[in-house]
Amino acid sequence: GENVEQHPSTLSVQEGDSAVIKCTYSDSASNYFPWYKQELGKRPQLIIDIRSNVGEKKDQRIAVTLNKTAKHFSLHITETQPEDSAVYFCAKGNTGFQKLVFGTGTRLLVSP
Amino acid sequence: IAGITQAPTSQILAAGRRMTLRCTQDMRHNAMYWYRQDLGLGLRLIHYSNTAGTTGKGEVPDGYSVSRANTDDFPLTLASAVPSQTSVYFCASSALGGSNQPQHFGDGTRLSIL
Repeated sequence: GENVEQHPSTLSVQEGDSAVIKCTYSDSASNYFPWYKQELGKRPQLIIDIRSNVGEKKDQRIAVTLNKTAKHFSLHITETQPEDSAVYFCAKGNTGFQKLVFGTGTRLLVSP
Repeated sequence: IAGITQAPTSQILAAGRRMTLRCTQDMRHNAMYWYRQDLGLGLRLIHYSNTAGTTGKGEVPDGYSVSRANTDDFPLTLASAVPSQTSVYFCASSALGGSNQPQHFGDGTRLSIL
């Protein structure tokens, strides 16, 4: 129950299209779901996070949705731009565990 | 500028040698973490510390040790490096311990063991 499954592993879109990355988990105790963006050779950067007491959170062109019943959460990027190209990682955590568990990442390529 | 500083940026090391990766934060965060990042495996937790004076094992602790003598510093030591420890190492911190807190990462140390 510790793993996070992340799909797809790679995603190619045209500039201006939307991109959706989905993560699934199995344990009911998880209550915190952050998303990180990592550009090539750079550090992972927190871009948005959501807690289990809400179903959706938006920040400009990015949004995260959470379905606690189905145990999945998704990152939505609208009006994609070439600078959105990066690897995106989902993660999950909860108050009972010490470690944040990361997905294996999605490489997003936005073509002009 | 507040944040996390890691050193060195990169290092090539002979197998069997001892190596300490340094991590310093100036945000007065209580919790600090060490991750390794390998292609296809994402980020895996090596060790963590929820507060100065305490440490804990993460997902892949074997071959590594840490100490937390004060709030700001959290060094990671490889006592006798092996090629499988070739990886990119990231230090992170959060205001409070526990996995439901936002974690902020340093720039990483690229380590190659030959």
